[in-house]
This record gives sequence, structure tokens and C-alpha cells, in this order.
Amino acid sequence: DGGITQSPKYLFRKEGQNVTLSCEQNLNHDAMYWYRQDPGQGLRLIYYSQIVNDFQKGDIAEGYSVSREKKESFPLTVTSAQKNPTAFYLCASSSGFSGRARNEQFFGPGTRLTVL
Amino acid sequence: SQQGEEDPQALSIQEGENATMNCSYKTSINNLQWYRQNSGRGLVHLILIRSNEREKHSGRLRVTLDTSKKSSSLLITASRAADTASYFCATDAPDRGSTLGRLYFGRGTQLTVWP
Repeated sequence: DGGITQSPKYLFRKEGQNVTLSCEQNLNHDAMYWYRQDPGQGLRLIYYSQIVNDFQKGDIAEGYSVSREKKESFPLTVTSAQKNPTAFYLCASSSGFSGRARNEQFFGPGTRLTVL
Repeated sequence: SQQGEEDPQALSIQEGENATMNCSYKTSINNLQWYRQNSGRGLVHLILIRSNEREKHSGRLRVTLDTSKKSSSLLITASRAADTASYFCATDAPDRGSTLGRLYFGRGTQLTVWP
């Protein structure tokens, strides 16, 4: 089965703790993305990576960190510096870059993070 | 700021009726995409329309693009209760240099189809 997986589905964190959200894809895609979704706000880009060992900040990167050591994996760490981390987090991947190929994004099922 | 904005924010119709959602964007694009999201799930790609295309069909979906007005519409014909979901438009931004590859999503239209 080809696809993109995220784990865990639900995650609870105490204030002051760092947590890492997993994202894995077996689609052989170069690009991977992390979005945050809050009710009524649509998707906001946190970080994205176009190639292994490289990533760029999105619109709301503060309080988050990522790594891209392998093509198939793009974990997101929500640090204690993120003041309001309770949200639905979506990971996505795509094969092409804008203008060169279809940049349709494939999404994982999401992780719902709740800070207690 | 977001590139795409959908209108209306919410739409409620009866089964069998057509549903039309609109998207406006701000800068030039290579393509515009529509995605669907069921509650609590990831997004699913529905259709992509390139900037040199004016209309595209896929099953019960019809998408139009007017680059002069920087707008697109998604029409779902003969809607079903299973079409209930949020629908998002997404655009690329080819003139934004290092942001090649990223998409800009709107806030979405929540469609409810009543049986």
C-alpha cells in the first residue's frame, strides 16, 4: 500500500514538554510538508522540505522544529516554546515542484495534539 | 496572508441539488487545485486546473478558472449526503522564488448535504 502515515492519531502533552509527531511516506516523493489546522482557519504551513537534509520555514515555524535525514521521513517536534500547540497537525508530500510537474499533495490522516 | 479564499464559508443544500463554491486568489499561478476534507481526516486531492485551462471536469465535479479575475469555482452536481465535507482551494505561487513547491490554502467551504 502506497501512502503517507502519521502517528500517533491522538497525542496529549503536558505544558512544558516537547513532543514529536511522526510522518512517513512510501511514495518516493521529494517534498514533504507540515501544516497546522485550527477550527475555521484552514491550513497554515509550519515547515516544508524539498529534498533530504534541507528544509524551510513556513508561515508559523516559531516553536516547532523538523529534520529530514531520510527521504521517507519528516518528523515534527512541537517544543515548549510553542505557546498554543493544541491543534490538528497534517503532514503531506508531493513529487514535483511548481511549474515543473504536478504538485498535487498527498495528505496523511493527521495527529490531534492536545495540551493538558 | 493566505493566497486563496473560498466563498461561501458554509453551504447547506438538499441531496440532488448542485453545490457551487468559489475561490479567489491574489497573485499569478501555474495551477489551482481543489481538495476535500472529511471531518477529522486528511485532505484528499480532487482536481487540478492549469492556468492555461478554463474548465475541467471529473465525474460530478466541474472546475472553472478565470485568471483575469483571479478566481475559480467548483461545482458539484447532483450532490449526495456523502459529499458533506470541507472543500479547499490551493494555489501555487511561481513568482515567489524560494517558495517553489508549496501550496497556499484557503480557509475552506463547509458543505452540508441533507438527505
